[in-house]
Amino acid sequence: EADIYQTPRYLVIGTGKKITLECSQTMGHDKMYWYQQDPGMELHLIHYSYGVNSTEKGDLSSESTVSRIRTEHFPLTLESARPSHTSQYLCASSGWTRVDYGYTFGSGTRLTVV
Amino acid sequence: DQQVKQNSPSLSVQEGRISILNCDYTNSMFDYFLWYKKYPAEGPTFLISISSIKDKNEDGRFTVFLNKSAKHLSLHIVPSQPGDSAVYFCAAKEGGVTSGSRLTFGEGTQLTVNP
Repeated sequence: EADIYQTPRYLVIGTGKKITLECSQTMGHDKMYWYQQDPGMELHLIHYSYGVNSTEKGDLSSESTVSRIRTEHFPLTLESARPSHTSQYLCASSGWTRVDYGYTFGSGTRLTVV
Repeated sequence: DQQVKQNSPSLSVQEGRISILNCDYTNSMFDYFLWYKKYPAEGPTFLISISSIKDKNEDGRFTVFLNKSAKHLSLHIVPSQPGDSAVYFCAAKEGGVTSGSRLTFGEGTQLTVNP
């Protein structure tokens, strides 16, 4: 049973459109992350947040933006989608405790920009 | 500069045999290592982890070995089952407060277990 939810699961949109990928978690985790992954490639961190009103860019440059107005919600927005944005986007969260280093991932959003 | 590498993109084994997935890292500041399993169209799920102060951790059919001097870890699955067929990601966490709990992932290895 998922405690972190991503919508939509699949999205096909035209070039130039603005899109928002939703991510919500019910575990009360302070830390949340967005990763981008292409088949056969590693997960690339594009954004992360350590709490409300805290957002940072990750290791991979991305044209997307994020916001963290509520603990449970961490949406990712693309102002103008391009074919190069076609990828799988994975949202994750983690807690602060020593045994909680592991992430809980959502099911991902498969984005195709045509 | 990729700090976590899984050099085998794919591995195929027979049901009942041992699967060994390998992972190498370069950052000596990593102090915690994790393995995740990912099925198609799903997010990765946590499988097993190991602290850098240990060299082995076992959980049922899954065992992770850590060789710090070689900066190498491996995941052993025995016996392998068809349901284990998935992509396996190695991940590592850097020690210290500045890194938070950010994980660095490898490229993944596609494991196929044949009946």
